[in-house]
Amino acid sequence: EIVMTQSPATLSVSPGEGATLSCRASQSVNNNLAWYQQKPGQAPRLLIYRASTRATGIPARFSGSGSGTEFTLTISSLQSEDFAVYYCQQYNNWPPMYTFGQGTKLEIK
Amino acid sequence: QVQLVESGGGVVQPGGSLRLSCVASGFTFSRSGMHWVRQAPGKGLDWVAFIRYDGTNKYYADSVKGRFTISRDNSKNAVYLQMNSLRADDTAVYYCARDRTMILDALDYWGQGALVTVSS
Repeated sequence: EIVMTQSPATLSVSPGEGATLSCRASQSVNNNLAWYQQKPGQAPRLLIYRASTRATGIPARFSGSGSGTEFTLTISSLQSEDFAVYYCQQYNNWPPMYTFGQGTKLEIK
Repeated sequence: QVQLVESGGGVVQPGGSLRLSCVASGFTFSRSGMHWVRQAPGKGLDWVAFIRYDGTNKYYADSVKGRFTISRDNSKNAVYLQMNSLRADDTAVYYCARDRTMILDALDYWGQGALVTVSS
Protein backbone atom coordinates (compact mmCIF):
# COMPACT_ATOMS: atom_id res chain seq x y z
CA GLU A 1 0.00 0.00 0.00
CA ILE A 2 1.23 3.48 -0.86
CA VAL A 3 1.24 5.67 2.25
CA MET A 4 0.59 9.39 1.83
CA THR A 5 1.99 11.70 4.53
CA GLN A 6 0.91 15.33 4.77
CA SER A 7 2.64 18.09 6.66
CA PRO A 8 2.09 20.03 8.72
CA ALA A 9 -0.95 18.60 10.49
CA THR A 10 -2.12 22.14 11.27
CA LEU A 11 -1.08 25.39 9.66
CA SER A 12 -2.00 28.78 11.14
CA VAL A 13 -1.94 31.63 8.64
CA SER A 14 -3.36 35.15 8.53
CA PRO A 15 -5.82 36.13 5.78
CA GLY A 16 -4.02 37.68 2.84
CA GLU A 17 -0.87 35.65 3.42
CA GLY A 18 0.19 32.58 1.45
CA ALA A 19 0.26 28.94 2.55
CA THR A 20 2.26 25.93 1.43
CA LEU A 21 1.03 22.40 2.18
CA SER A 22 3.13 19.31 1.59
CA CYS A 23 2.33 15.72 0.68
CA ARG A 24 4.81 12.88 0.43
CA ALA A 25 4.22 9.43 -1.06
CA SER A 26 5.99 6.31 0.23
CA GLN A 27 6.81 5.40 -3.39
CA SER A 28 6.48 7.14 -6.71
CA VAL A 29 2.96 7.96 -7.86
CA ASN A 30 4.21 9.77 -10.97
CA ASN A 31 1.86 12.75 -11.31
CA ASN A 32 -1.28 10.84 -10.28
CA LEU A 33 -1.96 13.06 -7.32
CA ALA A 34 -5.04 15.08 -6.41
CA TRP A 35 -5.80 17.70 -3.76
CA TYR A 36 -9.20 18.15 -2.10
CA GLN A 37 -10.63 20.80 0.18
CA GLN A 38 -13.17 19.90 2.86
CA LYS A 39 -15.11 22.30 5.06
CA PRO A 40 -17.00 21.19 8.18
CA GLY A 41 -20.20 19.32 7.36
CA GLN A 42 -19.49 19.33 3.64
CA ALA A 43 -18.27 16.82 1.11
CA PRO A 44 -14.72 17.16 -0.23
CA ARG A 45 -14.18 19.32 -3.30
CA LEU A 46 -11.60 18.54 -5.97
CA LEU A 47 -9.05 21.34 -6.32
CA ILE A 48 -6.13 19.89 -8.28
CA TYR A 49 -5.62 16.74 -10.34
CA ARG A 50 -2.60 15.35 -12.20
CA ALA A 51 -0.55 17.12 -9.52
CA SER A 52 -0.85 20.58 -11.08
CA THR A 53 -4.07 21.00 -13.07
CA ARG A 54 -6.80 23.06 -11.46
CA ALA A 55 -10.27 21.53 -11.50
CA THR A 56 -13.20 23.37 -13.05
CA GLY A 57 -14.06 26.58 -11.23
CA ILE A 58 -11.05 26.56 -8.89
CA PRO A 59 -9.49 30.02 -8.43
CA ALA A 60 -6.01 30.70 -9.76
CA ARG A 61 -4.69 31.33 -6.23
CA PHE A 62 -4.61 27.54 -5.83
CA SER A 63 -1.65 25.84 -7.48
CA GLY A 64 -0.13 22.39 -7.29
CA SER A 65 3.34 21.15 -8.08
CA GLY A 66 5.54 18.10 -7.76
CA SER A 67 6.01 14.65 -9.21
CA GLY A 68 7.12 11.25 -8.03
CA THR A 69 7.01 11.34 -4.24
CA GLU A 70 6.97 15.03 -3.27
CA PHE A 71 4.02 17.34 -3.87
CA THR A 72 2.98 20.81 -2.81
CA LEU A 73 -0.28 22.73 -2.74
CA THR A 74 0.24 26.48 -2.63
CA ILE A 75 -2.51 28.96 -1.84
CA SER A 76 -1.60 32.58 -2.45
CA SER A 77 -3.34 35.42 -0.63
CA LEU A 78 -5.64 33.38 1.61
CA GLN A 79 -9.32 34.29 1.63
CA SER A 80 -11.67 33.59 4.54
CA GLU A 81 -13.32 30.76 2.61
CA ASP A 82 -9.98 28.93 2.18
CA PHE A 83 -9.71 27.92 5.82
CA ALA A 84 -10.53 24.24 5.75
CA VAL A 85 -8.94 20.79 5.79
CA TYR A 86 -6.91 19.77 2.74
CA TYR A 87 -6.26 16.19 1.64
CA CYS A 88 -3.92 14.78 -0.96
CA GLN A 89 -4.76 11.50 -2.69
CA GLN A 90 -2.81 9.21 -4.99
CA TYR A 91 -4.43 7.20 -7.77
CA ASN A 92 -1.38 5.62 -9.33
CA ASN A 93 -1.16 2.02 -8.26
CA TRP A 94 -2.62 -1.05 -9.92
CA PRO A 95 -4.87 -2.74 -9.03
CA PRO A 96 -6.43 0.44 -7.78
CA MET A 97 -6.01 1.15 -4.10
CA TYR A 98 -6.52 4.85 -3.74
CA THR A 99 -5.00 6.31 -0.61
CA PHE A 100 -5.45 9.69 1.04
CA GLY A 101 -3.14 11.64 3.27
CA GLN A 102 -4.30 12.29 6.81
CA GLY A 103 -5.10 15.93 6.04
CA THR A 104 -3.75 19.39 6.85
CA LYS A 105 -6.01 21.75 8.75
CA LEU A 106 -5.52 25.31 7.58
CA GLU A 107 -6.70 27.64 10.33
CA ILE A 108 -6.90 31.38 10.81
CA LYS A 109 -4.03 32.86 12.78
CA GLN B 1 -25.50 20.40 -13.09
CA VAL B 2 -23.92 17.24 -11.72
CA GLN B 3 -25.74 15.83 -8.70
CA LEU B 4 -25.08 12.74 -6.62
CA VAL B 5 -27.59 11.86 -3.92
CA GLU B 6 -26.93 9.07 -1.44
CA SER B 7 -29.54 7.27 0.62
CA GLY B 8 -29.90 4.18 2.76
CA GLY B 9 -27.80 5.14 5.75
CA GLY B 10 -28.88 4.38 9.29
CA VAL B 11 -28.14 2.49 12.47
CA VAL B 12 -27.34 -1.22 12.26
CA GLN B 13 -26.12 -3.78 14.77
CA PRO B 14 -22.67 -5.35 14.48
CA GLY B 15 -22.83 -8.25 12.03
CA GLY B 16 -25.77 -6.71 10.22
CA SER B 17 -26.20 -5.52 6.65
CA LEU B 18 -27.10 -2.28 4.93
CA ARG B 19 -27.38 -1.18 1.31
CA LEU B 20 -26.46 2.34 0.24
CA SER B 21 -27.72 3.87 -2.99
CA CYS B 22 -26.44 6.84 -4.97
CA VAL B 23 -28.52 8.33 -7.76
CA ALA B 24 -26.76 10.51 -10.31
CA SER B 25 -27.97 13.25 -12.61
CA GLY B 26 -26.54 15.96 -14.83
CA PHE B 27 -24.02 13.83 -16.72
CA THR B 28 -23.79 10.64 -18.77
CA PHE B 29 -23.72 8.14 -15.94
CA SER B 30 -23.09 5.13 -18.18
CA ARG B 31 -19.73 6.61 -19.20
CA SER B 32 -18.45 7.33 -15.70
CA GLY B 33 -16.62 5.18 -13.21
CA MET B 34 -17.93 5.58 -9.68
CA HIS B 35 -16.37 5.34 -6.23
CA TRP B 36 -17.43 5.03 -2.62
CA VAL B 37 -15.32 6.86 -0.03
CA ARG B 38 -15.99 6.96 3.70
CA GLN B 39 -15.08 9.20 6.61
CA ALA B 40 -15.27 8.05 10.22
CA PRO B 41 -16.40 10.73 12.70
CA GLY B 42 -13.63 13.29 13.14
CA LYS B 43 -11.25 11.33 10.91
CA GLY B 44 -9.83 11.55 7.40
CA LEU B 45 -10.99 10.16 4.07
CA ASP B 46 -10.83 6.43 3.34
CA TRP B 47 -11.38 5.03 -0.15
CA VAL B 48 -13.74 2.03 -0.17
CA ALA B 49 -14.51 0.80 -3.68
CA PHE B 50 -14.64 1.57 -7.42
CA ILE B 51 -16.75 0.25 -10.27
CA ARG B 52 -15.99 0.75 -13.92
CA TYR B 53 -18.47 2.61 -16.12
CA ASP B 54 -19.87 -0.64 -17.53
CA GLY B 55 -19.72 -2.58 -14.28
CA THR B 56 -17.20 -5.10 -15.60
CA ASN B 57 -14.42 -4.29 -13.11
CA LYS B 58 -14.70 -3.65 -9.40
CA TYR B 59 -11.99 -2.91 -6.86
CA TYR B 60 -12.07 -2.75 -3.08
CA ALA B 61 -10.02 -1.57 -0.15
CA ASP B 62 -8.54 -4.47 1.81
CA SER B 63 -10.56 -3.43 4.87
CA VAL B 64 -13.89 -4.18 3.13
CA LYS B 65 -12.94 -6.90 0.67
CA GLY B 66 -15.24 -9.92 1.01
CA ARG B 67 -17.80 -7.95 3.06
CA PHE B 68 -18.84 -5.08 0.76
CA THR B 69 -20.06 -5.27 -2.83
CA ILE B 70 -20.28 -2.36 -5.25
CA SER B 71 -22.74 -2.56 -8.15
CA ARG B 72 -24.52 -0.27 -10.58
CA ASP B 73 -27.64 -0.02 -12.72
CA ASN B 74 -27.01 2.27 -15.65
CA SER B 75 -30.71 2.22 -16.58
CA LYS B 76 -31.45 3.90 -13.23
CA ASN B 77 -28.31 6.09 -13.06
CA ALA B 78 -27.52 4.46 -9.75
CA VAL B 79 -24.58 2.92 -7.93
CA TYR B 80 -24.93 0.79 -4.83
CA LEU B 81 -22.86 -0.42 -1.91
CA GLN B 82 -24.03 -3.60 -0.23
CA MET B 83 -22.41 -3.81 3.19
CA ASN B 84 -22.47 -7.12 5.08
CA SER B 85 -20.87 -8.29 8.32
CA LEU B 86 -20.70 -4.72 9.51
CA ARG B 87 -18.34 -3.81 12.34
CA ALA B 88 -18.11 -0.84 14.66
CA ASP B 89 -15.16 0.51 12.70
CA ASP B 90 -17.35 0.74 9.58
CA THR B 91 -19.19 3.63 11.25
CA ALA B 92 -18.72 6.60 8.93
CA VAL B 93 -20.25 8.99 6.46
CA TYR B 94 -20.23 7.24 3.11
CA TYR B 95 -19.80 9.39 -0.01
CA CYS B 96 -20.31 8.35 -3.61
CA ALA B 97 -18.07 10.18 -6.04
CA ARG B 98 -17.56 10.32 -9.79
CA ASP B 99 -14.29 9.43 -11.44
CA ARG B 100 -13.05 12.33 -13.54
CA THR B 101 -12.39 10.20 -16.63
CA MET B 102 -13.36 6.77 -17.97
CA ILE B 103 -10.12 5.39 -16.57
CA LEU B 104 -9.10 5.68 -12.93
CA ASP B 105 -8.51 9.31 -12.06
CA ALA B 106 -9.34 11.92 -9.44
CA LEU B 107 -12.84 12.23 -7.98
CA ASP B 108 -14.44 15.36 -9.37
CA TYR B 109 -17.98 15.32 -7.95
CA TRP B 110 -19.17 14.06 -4.58
CA GLY B 111 -22.52 13.45 -2.98
CA GLN B 112 -23.51 14.92 0.37
CA GLY B 113 -22.91 11.62 2.17
CA ALA B 114 -24.94 9.02 4.06
CA LEU B 115 -24.23 8.26 7.71
CA VAL B 116 -23.85 4.63 8.70
CA THR B 117 -23.68 3.86 12.42
CA VAL B 118 -22.79 0.34 13.54
CA SER B 119 -23.76 -0.05 17.17
CA SER B 120 -25.57 -2.42 19.49
